[in-house]
Amino acid sequence: DGGITQSPKYLFRKEGQNVTLSCEQNLNHDAMYWYRQDPGQGLRLIYYSQIVNDFQKGDIAEGYSVSREKKESFPLTVTSAQKNPTAFYLCASSIRGGAETQYFGPGTRLLVL
Amino acid sequence: AQTVTQSQPEMSVQEAETVTLSCTYDTSESDYYLFWYKQPPSRQMILVIRQEAYKQQNATENRFSVNFQKAAKSFSLKISDSQLGDAAMYFCAYRTSQGGSEKLVFGKGTKLTVNP
Repeated sequence: DGGITQSPKYLFRKEGQNVTLSCEQNLNHDAMYWYRQDPGQGLRLIYYSQIVNDFQKGDIAEGYSVSREKKESFPLTVTSAQKNPTAFYLCASSIRGGAETQYFGPGTRLLVL
Repeated sequence: AQTVTQSQPEMSVQEAETVTLSCTYDTSESDYYLFWYKQPPSRQMILVIRQEAYKQQNATENRFSVNFQKAAKSFSLKISDSQLGDAAMYFCAYRTSQGGSEKLVFGKGTKLTVNP
């Protein structure tokens, strides 16, 4: 069953703590993306990666970091520098970077304790 | 920078009726891609329909169709024979065709309620 999985579904962060959100895809897609969604807003791009070992900042990269060591995986770390991390985080992938349609995972809800 | 505007925060429709959701965008480009995504209560984003700007023919997917007016920079979504399962947030999104800019630019969404 091909698709994009994200874990955990809910994540709680304490002040000053780094947390990592997982995103895995078995669609053999080259490109992967991380978006943030706030209430009443559309999605905003955090980071994207078109190939393994390469990634680019999106519009709101400050306070976040990513890695792309494997084609299937694109984890997002929310660092303590991100002062307002409470949001819904969506991972997406597409066949390759370009105009191809992006397909989304089920998302992770991050809450600050 | 490109922007996407959805002027209807909320819409409602009776089951089996037709509803149209509005979307306008601002761009100086001539070639680009437009999308409608659906976000049900589960919050997963689901692609509804896609339109290439160079195609004059409006895209259609079963009960979903678009009215793409390139000169007016308008991209509305029509849902025919509305079903209870169509209730969701609907987001319009824009993507450039130029390489090196990979993001989707989203509108703020329209919440669609389907009344039985």
